[in-house]
Amino acid sequence: GAVVSQHPSWVICKSGTSVKIECRSLDFQATTMFWYRQFPKQSLMLMATSNEGSKATYEQGVEKDKFLINHASLTLSTLTVTSAHPEDSSFYICSARTTNRGRNYGYTFGSGTRLTVV
Amino acid sequence: GQQLNQSPQSMFIQEGEDVSMNCTSSSIFNTWLWYKQEPGEGPVLLIALYKAGELTSNGRLTAQFGITRKDSFLNISASIPSDVGIYFCAGQRLRGGSNYKLTFGKGTLLTVNP
Repeated sequence: GAVVSQHPSWVICKSGTSVKIECRSLDFQATTMFWYRQFPKQSLMLMATSNEGSKATYEQGVEKDKFLINHASLTLSTLTVTSAHPEDSSFYICSARTTNRGRNYGYTFGSGTRLTVV
Repeated sequence: GQQLNQSPQSMFIQEGEDVSMNCTSSSIFNTWLWYKQEPGEGPVLLIALYKAGELTSNGRLTAQFGITRKDSFLNISASIPSDVGIYFCAGQRLRGGSNYKLTFGKGTLLTVNP
């Protein structure tokens, strides 16, 4: 089945530094990837839609200059949290849309990245 | 953003009991998906539904796509301790510039007592 690999699984960084999170589709090409943020005991909140070869589409209220998304290839999307602050501490999850003969098959999620900003 | 109404919020059951949870929306969805998430992990797809009225099973799990396309339910039969986790419904609209985005329910936390 489709596998999405997300790294790192956890990261601790100092306030003011930047952190990059990678999301790779291992056995399929993903033209569209999604980045979510999840706070404890809450649902997933979509941050942005990442399209290969074009600019990401951000959800309302998400700062595009703070959460930089790059989708330079069909198998890799990255999320960079710039000038991180403690309030950015959260669980970040990526997902990729999978299709079967052009039919929407579903969405495969990465295993998530726990970001702690100290 | 918009969220689906998922209930119940949490459930505490005994091993062997059946479980039912559902999601409703004021909007029509073209696809309903059910996911399970365990602590520190990303969601894992359980069942995908693509057609109104569709009833699909995956082992002890059964899910249905409501005929109005505004709701879906998930049943788990004969629960076991490893069923513990948070279950999320998710809907997708293919029109209106949605760009294949998913809308998630708030989740149902399931606890199974051995």
